[in-house]
Amino acid sequence: QVQLVQSGAEVKRPGASVKVSCKPSGYTFTDYYMHWLRQAPGQGLEWMGWISPNTGGTSYAQKFQGRVTMTRDTSISTFSMELTRLTNDDTATYYCAREEGSSWYAYWGQGTLVTVSS
Amino acid sequence: QSALTQPASVSGSPGQSITLTCTGASSDVGRYNLVSWYQQHPGKAPKLMIYEVTKRPSGVSNRFSGSKSGNTASLTISGLQAEDEADYYCSSYAGSWRVFGGGTKLTVL
Repeated sequence: QVQLVQSGAEVKRPGASVKVSCKPSGYTFTDYYMHWLRQAPGQGLEWMGWISPNTGGTSYAQKFQGRVTMTRDTSISTFSMELTRLTNDDTATYYCAREEGSSWYAYWGQGTLVTVSS
Repeated sequence: QSALTQPASVSGSPGQSITLTCTGASSDVGRYNLVSWYQQHPGKAPKLMIYEVTKRPSGVSNRFSGSKSGNTASLTISGLQAEDEADYYCSSYAGSWRVFGGGTKLTVL
């Protein structure tokens, strides 16, 4: 069965960076794009971007351009999302989600809580 | 990349039918038949309920149905049940990007 297992919770200081990983299993790594989304406490879902597992090509939401980097390591079948210059507003649960077809997400990671606090 | 617009809250009684709306633009909801809906219970990851406007994944109750007219997509839940109480999010393809609505909190009275 398809599973997306994310790395554990993180606590970071303002100005620091965080890197969250997502390791899929149960399917061929290169068959599906991976997307990253986040959800601040009590708020809605926010799309951050996607990465192609084959080429490493990416597309990021304008809001995160210049601060986010999505990568994949085909040797260990793992995706990662790094967010830099963190502020308190980046406190959120970050999800990876496998994109089906052209637009929907049937499989989600369990979420990684990133807390930014001084 | 503007967010889709959803009402903040909707409520209904058990057995009733309710419709949640999701309004976008001609560049996303209006252009593509690629709207999806997600149900999220507190502390849980979102669950796919509808994709490609009207399609229901295996395992999702047929009480859930989707539709679209112009720039507005809708999710209808018939025969409302207590377990349907959750947050619901719509999403649309928008070319290189994806856009989400702010979510609707559904309360079952």
